[in-house]
Amino acid sequence: EPEVTQTPSHQVTQMGQEVILRCVPISNHLYFYWYRQILGQKVEFLVSFYNNEISEKSEIFDDQFSVERPDGSNFTLKIRSTKLEDSAMYFCASSDRAEGYGYTFGSGTRLTVV
Amino acid sequence: QKEVEQNSGPLSVPEGAIASLNCTYSDRGSQSFFWYRQYSGKSPELIMSIYSNGDKEDGRFTAQLNKASQYVSLLIRDSQPSDSATYLCAVTNFNKFYFGSGTKLNVKP
Repeated sequence: EPEVTQTPSHQVTQMGQEVILRCVPISNHLYFYWYRQILGQKVEFLVSFYNNEISEKSEIFDDQFSVERPDGSNFTLKIRSTKLEDSAMYFCASSDRAEGYGYTFGSGTRLTVV
Repeated sequence: QKEVEQNSGPLSVPEGAIASLNCTYSDRGSQSFFWYRQYSGKSPELIMSIYSNGDKEDGRFTAQLNKASQYVSLLIRDSQPSDSATYLCAVTNFNKFYFGSGTKLNVKP
């Protein structure tokens, strides 16, 4: 069964450093998403991406965050200057249609900011 | 603010019993509804999707949707210890999901 692949599975970074979280969506999917889940809290929407541009973003997704699809396969989330409160599990997801149909989550990257 | 509300639990049921999980949502414009299972430290895993009022059955799982009451539920029949997890209700409005904070289910052998 096709999978959404995320790397690394765990990243530790110092406060103020830049991190890039990587995702390889399912190959024929057109819609891409990032979510985060702070330990013990709910899964929160960050951003959706379609046709090489952001289609929607949440209030969490401020100027410190950016997304990119640098080639035909990768989808990245960059955090420019990490803060302690950025520590969370970050999930990438992709879908072949809008409205959540065929939505598949990656296994996540646990980001720890120290 | 679009909200999805779930009882955090834990909900404890004996093995073989029916587990009933409930979810309410605030946005009447919500179009699609999902139940995900999440084991600790893992990503959400889709169990059921439902788009129209009524019941939808898939194996031991039944999802129920009542748009007038803004209510979604999940029934798990013949609960197994392996069903012990956090169950997330998710609601979509256009291009993003809103998740509830989840209900922790414990199925006791």
